[in-house]
Amino acid sequence: DVQLLESGGGLVQPGGSLSLSCAASGFTFSSYALSWVRQAPGKGLEWVSCISDSGHYTYDADSVKGRFTISRDNSKNTLSLQMNSLRAEDTALYYCVRHTGSAAFDVWGQGTMVTVSS
Amino acid sequence: DIVMTQSPDSLAVSLGERATINCKSSQSVLNSFNNRNYLAWYQQKPGQPPKLLIYWASDRQSGVPDRFSGSGSGTDFSLTISSLQAEDVAVYYCQQFYSASSSFGQGTKLEI
Repeated sequence: DVQLLESGGGLVQPGGSLSLSCAASGFTFSSYALSWVRQAPGKGLEWVSCISDSGHYTYDADSVKGRFTISRDNSKNTLSLQMNSLRAEDTALYYCVRHTGSAAFDVWGQGTMVTVSS
Repeated sequence: DIVMTQSPDSLAVSLGERATINCKSSQSVLNSFNNRNYLAWYQQKPGQPPKLLIYWASDRQSGVPDRFSGSGSGTDFSLTISSLQAEDVAVYYCQQFYSASSSFGQGTKLEI
């Protein structure tokens, strides 16, 4: 089965850092672009960052630019998100998602919760 | 950045009736080179991740019932459920992937 499994969420103080991981299985990881999408409690979906299949190209939402870094290890089938200078408004469920050939998001993980609070 | 605006924010439809959700983008998401609209629709049920329903504005994802259809081009799009079933109660989102910085609409809550 095609699967994405996020980990690394938790409670962190404002200004702190956290690293999220996403383990992929059931498909050729290196053939797909990937993104992180987040959803604040009771709110809508917000695209965060994406990375090309090779890892050479990345794009970030303005809200996280300069604070978050997306990366991938195609040898380990793993996607990562390094989050620095965290703010209360970064509190959300963070989903790892796979892009289809059309670039729509066809596979979603179950998400990992990040809470930024003192 | 491309802003996606959905209407209405919530919608109540009777079982078996038609439901239509609209989505408007702040700029065209039509790629003139391949004549494709870079627009997708997702369904999210409580406690679950979103599920891809429609891509390229009107192509149904594998396994999605044919009562779901997408239409529109350029900046104006619609998702139609031809005959509402109880299991269709959910929040629906449109998304543009025309630009590298993707964006979603605010969501439409569909109720019976």
